[in-house]
Amino acid sequence: SQKIEQNSEALNIQEGKTATLTCNYTNYSPAYLQWYRQDPGRGPVFLLLIRENEKEKRKERLKVTFDTTLKQSLFHITASQPADSATYLCALDNQAGTALIFGKGTTLSVSS
Amino acid sequence: EAEVAQSPRYKITEKSQAVAFWCDPISGHATLYWYRQILGQGPELLVQFQDESVVDDSQLPKDRFSAERLKGVDSTLKIQPAELGDSAMYLCASSTQNGRSEAFFGQGTRLTVV
Repeated sequence: SQKIEQNSEALNIQEGKTATLTCNYTNYSPAYLQWYRQDPGRGPVFLLLIRENEKEKRKERLKVTFDTTLKQSLFHITASQPADSATYLCALDNQAGTALIFGKGTTLSVSS
Repeated sequence: EAEVAQSPRYKITEKSQAVAFWCDPISGHATLYWYRQILGQGPELLVQFQDESVVDDSQLPKDRFSAERLKGVDSTLKIQPAELGDSAMYLCASSTQNGRSEAFFGQGTRLTVV
């Protein structure tokens, strides 16, 4: 069955640096990959969606890459701020293309 | 801005009791998901509806959990009887196009079974 791994449970960086989060998947080839932000006690909020035929997508300080050969997505936050501190979730469409499956998430802490 | 509504926000129940959660998705969203999230983990898909039909309930513990979306709009998730291990956040989400479009989440229902 499909497996999603977000390698780091926690990532601590200083304000102004670039945060890079990793999402790896195995056993299938998703057509779509998404990133969400989740704050404590709240539901996830959509950030970016990238398709298998897109190598990179940007939105303001956010950048996502999708490498179907490595079966990996990288999520970058440039010029990070303490307000970026949250858990970031990687999500993929399942093998049938019908449902959205999530990784465990990486908790980012940005210190000032 | 349209939102996914969930109620209740918090629920404390004794084990072996029945509990129900309600979700009203964004108008026009055909896909509705119920996820369970344990602290420190990612959301785990319990059931997915396309309109009023169940598309995927392979991870739903059917001996105690049930879900319905009778008119293809709002949905109810029920647990009977509740067990201590059911304590978690239950999240509802909706989207226009199943797993290939962004999902909009509600605030969730935090369930504590005592």
